[in-house]
Amino acid sequence: SAVISQKPSRDICQRGTSLTIQCQVDSQVTMMFWYRQQPGQSLTLIATANQGSEATYESGFVIDKFPISRPNLTFSTLTVSNMSPEDSSIYLCSVRPSGTSGAYEQYFGPGTRLTVT
Amino acid sequence: SQQGEEDPQALSIQEGENATMNCSYKTSINNLQWYRQNSGRGLVHLILIRSNEREKHSGRLRVTLDTSKKSSSLLITASRAADTASYFCATGQNTGFQKLVFGTGTRLLVSP
Repeated sequence: SAVISQKPSRDICQRGTSLTIQCQVDSQVTMMFWYRQQPGQSLTLIATANQGSEATYESGFVIDKFPISRPNLTFSTLTVSNMSPEDSSIYLCSVRPSGTSGAYEQYFGPGTRLTVT
Repeated sequence: SQQGEEDPQALSIQEGENATMNCSYKTSINNLQWYRQNSGRGLVHLILIRSNEREKHSGRLRVTLDTSKKSSSLLITASRAADTASYFCATGQNTGFQKLVFGTGTRLLVSP
């Protein structure tokens, strides 16, 4: 298993500003994922972040709005840029355990609750 | 959208009763997983069932998968107040890295 922490746990931000969310894992992992969960909704994958390569974004999400860094095998950041109230969500990172092949479970961080006013 | 549908959206039961949640999906899958989320926090993995499996058990959890109907069910037996949470199914897609597509979720309330 993997233990994942996120910073900040929550924040209230003004529209037009940016927030960077950090995700730290206690072990080296190849694949990390960033999800958005809008109020009362399910999770939607934003992008997949592999160390050493550019993040792969899902339809509807673009790098200019959600730039991602993955400097090493235990850390990633997601920035929510030029925020609007519609960006108010819980942002979660998750990881694929190293050494897995085929079907695998994901381990999730505790999430960052973002409110944009 | 490829998102799966879960029903019911909300379920309220008494402690000791069984809770059944259903998940339907649209595309072919590699596997199907169930996760629990407490109060908008991080998700906890409960169980994974592969597309060639029909039933799986883990403690008080029983999961079935019917790929011909593109549906799955999660049964929690002898429920406890601590089972109160949102439950999500997630399908592992047949893509290169098998990304997960989450269902709409079921909010379960177990009253003492």
